[in-house]
Amino acid sequence: QKEVEQDPGPLSVPEGAIVSLNCTYSNSAFQYFMWYRQYSRKGPELLMYTYSSGNKEDGRFTAQVDKSSKYISLFIRDSQPSDSATYLCAMTITGNQFYFGTGTSLTVIP
Amino acid sequence: EAQVTQNPRYLITVTGKKLTVTCSQNMNHEYMSWYRQDPGLGLRQIYYSMNVEVTDKGDVPEGYKVSRKEKRNFPLILESPSPNQTSLYFCASSFNLGGSQYFGPGTRLTVL
Repeated sequence: QKEVEQDPGPLSVPEGAIVSLNCTYSNSAFQYFMWYRQYSRKGPELLMYTYSSGNKEDGRFTAQVDKSSKYISLFIRDSQPSDSATYLCAMTITGNQFYFGTGTSLTVIP
Repeated sequence: EAQVTQNPRYLITVTGKKLTVTCSQNMNHEYMSWYRQDPGLGLRQIYYSMNVEVTDKGDVPEGYKVSRKEKRNFPLILESPSPNQTSLYFCASSFNLGGSQYFGPGTRLTVL
């Protein structure tokens, strides 16, 4: 069983839609949770970083962590064509070893 | 400009020919790491380093070596590359353990 599971999509939405991206994980010891955005032919860039359970908001992006369900989500409000990318979830226990999901490909159609 | 650089960006080589992919960061970061990215498998960690002369295995270290003699550099060495090491490789760094990681642009390696 993989440490982190993520639906690869692809996901296609119209501009302005709310996008929900999700990951599940198996190891209850994970404490730090991240979302990265990766454009084609580029390295991942950090979008959101959360510790333990709860919500974190940054502009149009909201990250949620539900440790009881071993489930994390990223919501994108008012999605834009520039949000078209692959979104990767990642998590770590102590900050040295990181486990990534396989990524969800998102296309926002103008 | 704060950045992580990797060289080469593209490399085609043959089985068994030793190669090194360099990684350098100019942000005085303590933590550095190498990942490989494969379709359907995502990013998998190869090795990481918490400081100079301190390195440890990630999830998929077989067939790779690393060294951290200087804080800014973290080369990835393939002593005897094999076709199953054909992949997209990323170097990353962060200020400290658990910090936000900055990724390099990637090195696409093909082993024939």
